Amino acid sequence: AQSVTQLGSHVSVSEGALVLLRCNYSSSVPPYLFWYVQYPNQGLQLLLKYTTGATLVKGINGFEAEFKKSETSFHLTKPSAHMSDAADYFCAVCDGGTSYGKLTFGQGTILTVHP
Amino acid sequence: GAVVSQHPSRVICKSGTSVKIECRSLDFQATTMFWYRQFPKKSLMLMATSNEGSKATYEQGVEKDKFLINHASLTLSTLTVTSAHPEDSSFYICSALTGLGYNEQFFGPGTRLTVL
Repeated sequence: AQSVTQLGSHVSVSEGALVLLRCNYSSSVPPYLFWYVQYPNQGLQLLLKYTTGATLVKGINGFEAEFKKSETSFHLTKPSAHMSDAADYFCAVCDGGTSYGKLTFGQGTILTVHP
Repeated sequence: GAVVSQHPSRVICKSGTSVKIECRSLDFQATTMFWYRQFPKKSLMLMATSNEGSKATYEQGVEKDKFLINHASLTLSTLTVTSAHPEDSSFYICSALTGLGYNEQFFGPGTRLTVL
């Protein structure tokens, strides 16, 4: 079984400040890891993903995440927050094996950016 | 990029009626689609996996007679909420596997269902 824990249901930062959204996972097999963003009343948009290879992955809108196997973490960061980054963020894991394609989502983190 | 649409985007219905939600992959074929339910300020809960030409696989606790899923073509899956009740009010999101890359799913924009 796999699971995802996002520490902090709400994160508030100032515009221009560092954004750090935490994600820890558990998986019995090497995981595929994803970060999605959701704006109000919309579906999910993929920010970035880790599958294999380089553990630091870069995504859209200046976001990046680092897969740390020893810490079972996949934290999302952005050096400088923008007002448009305010949204809900979801970390997800897929084991890509017997449950091909099935994603398990974390609880989500609401990011607020204030001027 | 891969685009997934949902129709309708919003629907309001009376208790006891049935509502059909369509999920279409617009520029690719999707042998597998997923249906999620999202409560306000909550995460996505996988309801079922929809495979073209076969019966859907439902997650534990999801009533298959309540939430009928049909995946009749490689670009269309439908979710029918039968005999809807107010507790079925939710945001329903579908996603589709492109079959390319590493299990990447593309999500539809969601359907807001309100049952009066």
